[in-house]
Amino acid sequence: KQEVTQIPAALSVPEGENLVLNCSFTDSAIYNLQWFRQDPGKGLTSLLLIQSSQREQTSGRLNASLDKSSGRSTLYIAASQPGDSATYLCALNGNSGYALNFGKGTSLLVTP
Amino acid sequence: GAGVSQSPRYKVAKRGQDVALRCDPISGHVSLFWYQQALGQGPEFLTYFQNEAQLDKSGLPSDRFFAERPEGSVSTLKIQRTQQEDSAVYLCASSPGLADPTYEQYFGPGTRLTVT
Repeated sequence: KQEVTQIPAALSVPEGENLVLNCSFTDSAIYNLQWFRQDPGKGLTSLLLIQSSQREQTSGRLNASLDKSSGRSTLYIAASQPGDSATYLCALNGNSGYALNFGKGTSLLVTP
Repeated sequence: GAGVSQSPRYKVAKRGQDVALRCDPISGHVSLFWYQQALGQGPEFLTYFQNEAQLDKSGLPSDRFFAERPEGSVSTLKIQRTQQEDSAVYLCASSPGLADPTYEQYFGPGTRLTVT
């Protein structure tokens, strides 16, 4: 069974810092990997989707990388802002082709 | 356009009661998914519909859980004889195509179920 681990579980940084969130997985047979943002009491907002044939995706201040051989993905957030405070979830689309396997998330707090 | 909507947003049920949770996917989306998110955990897959056909229900935790999508649009997740361990946020997602991993899944705001 695919195991998805996110480190750290929680992170607090001052505004303006660059930061990296980590996601590791045990089975490299994946179709794609998504990073989501979840605000308290809200649903999931998709941030970036990386297909298995891709190495990275960028959107604004966000950059996500994928290394299937090592079973790792990172989400890089540049120049963090208080509005970035949320829980960030990594999810893999694996053997079934549709059921997403999620990590437990990293809770990020960016302080002014 | 409108996103995925879910109702009710919050539901409190006494143990043993039956509940029904509704999901309205994005119009025209073929695929629909239900996930369960316990407090402090990531979402866990429950079931998948392609149009009105329930193709995968392997994630449903017990036979007290039942989902349907009779006309291939709105879906209902029903939980019979609720137990405290059913307390969680139930998330619905839809995607435009068949089970194609290149398609993103678009999530609704969830229904927070609390069983007392």
